[in-house]
Parts: sequence; structure tokens; C-alpha cells
Amino acid sequence: QVQLQESGPGLVKPSGTLSLTCAVSGGSISSSNWWSWVRQPPGKGLEWIAEIYHSGSTNYSPSLKSRVTISLDKSKNQFSLKLNSVTAADTAVYYCAREGIQNAFDIWGQGTLVTVSS
Amino acid sequence: EIVLTQSPGTLSLSPGERATLSCRASQSVNNNYLAWYQQKPGQAPRLLIYGASTRATGIPDRFSGSGSGTDFTLTISRLEPEDSAVYYCQQYGGSLYTFGQGTKLAIK
Repeated sequence: QVQLQESGPGLVKPSGTLSLTCAVSGGSISSSNWWSWVRQPPGKGLEWIAEIYHSGSTNYSPSLKSRVTISLDKSKNQFSLKLNSVTAADTAVYYCAREGIQNAFDIWGQGTLVTVSS
Repeated sequence: EIVLTQSPGTLSLSPGERATLSCRASQSVNNNYLAWYQQKPGQAPRLLIYGASTRATGIPDRFSGSGSGTDFTLTISRLEPEDSAVYYCQQYGGSLYTFGQGTKLAIK
């Protein structure tokens, strides 16, 4: 049973960099799955951010592409997100997720709230 | 980028009734890669339907998906109190994912 767990600072200062990690357990990050980050501002809907494959291939949301980097560490079985130049609009619950059959997100982490504030 | 529009925004129904949720795409969804999720307060989304009509593992058969092209529907028959949640549709195409804005389902 694959499980995902997000970790990282819950508070980031404006203009700073948001950094999160998603640990994969019960399975390998080198499986034939893509891995994604999705966020949800308080009281709002879901927004896809980026995805990565174990080969290192990546895709990004056009609206965030200039500020986002997704990467993975096979030795630690985890993948990460960096979002720079953050503002209050980046305050959200950030989820990591596995992409399964027909590109549906079949496994999700429990989410971590990141607040951008001074 | 494909925009997904869900309707209605809010739905209030009684236990035992049927709920019909709509998701309309601004362009045809490639290969019908359309999924539905249920999200309860404080929880991560849960995959219900993928490929427009295939139930995910462990999802009761009260949940069904249909549609193709630009018009998709999630039907929940015989509503139960625990079905109260926000439901999102999501599509994949051109190496991009987009979500609908959600439909809030309240069980009276």
C-alpha cells in the first residue's frame, strides 16, 4: 500500500521560497507512475502545480512555471517542490499525489498547510 | 488549456435521492481522461471515477460516471449522509491537468 507524506515549513515569508518534500512509502518512486503537486487555497478549489517522472521528465502549470521547480531523490524515495518569490496568494494546503490509470490521482498525501506571512 | 465548469455550484438533497453533477469542458477531453473526486472537510481528495466511467478501487456502485467529449456527469444514486462533500472533476491533456471549481453536495 503506497502512502505519501508531505513535510516542510508551515510558514514562509513573502518573497521567500516555499520548499516541500513528499516521502513515498510502501512502493518505489521509480515505478511507472508520474508524481504531482496540487494545492488548495483555504476555502477554494484544487490547482495542479507540477509533475515528475523517475526519469527526471517534468511538466509544469503554465501559470506557475516561472517560479516552480520539481525534483526527485531516488535514494530517499521522495520528490520535492520549490516555489520562489511567494506572496500571500500562495497560501494553501499543498498535496502530493500519485498519478495512476488514465492520469487520475489515485493516491494523495494528507496535505500540509503553508502560510505566507511576515 | 481546457477549462472545466461544474454545475450546479451547490446541491441540497435528502437521503435516498439521486444526485446528478455536471462537468462541462471548454474543449474535447482527450481519450476521455476525466476523473471525479470527493473531498470532505479537512481531508485530501478521494478518487471516485477515472476514464469518465470506471469506478476506482473500493468505490460503491452507487457512484457512476458517464459522458464523453465535452460533457460529463457524476451520478450518485441512493444518497447517504456520508456523501455530503465537495465533488471535483479533473481532466488531463497536453501534459496539463485542470480541475473544475467543485460542486458542494449537502445532505438534508
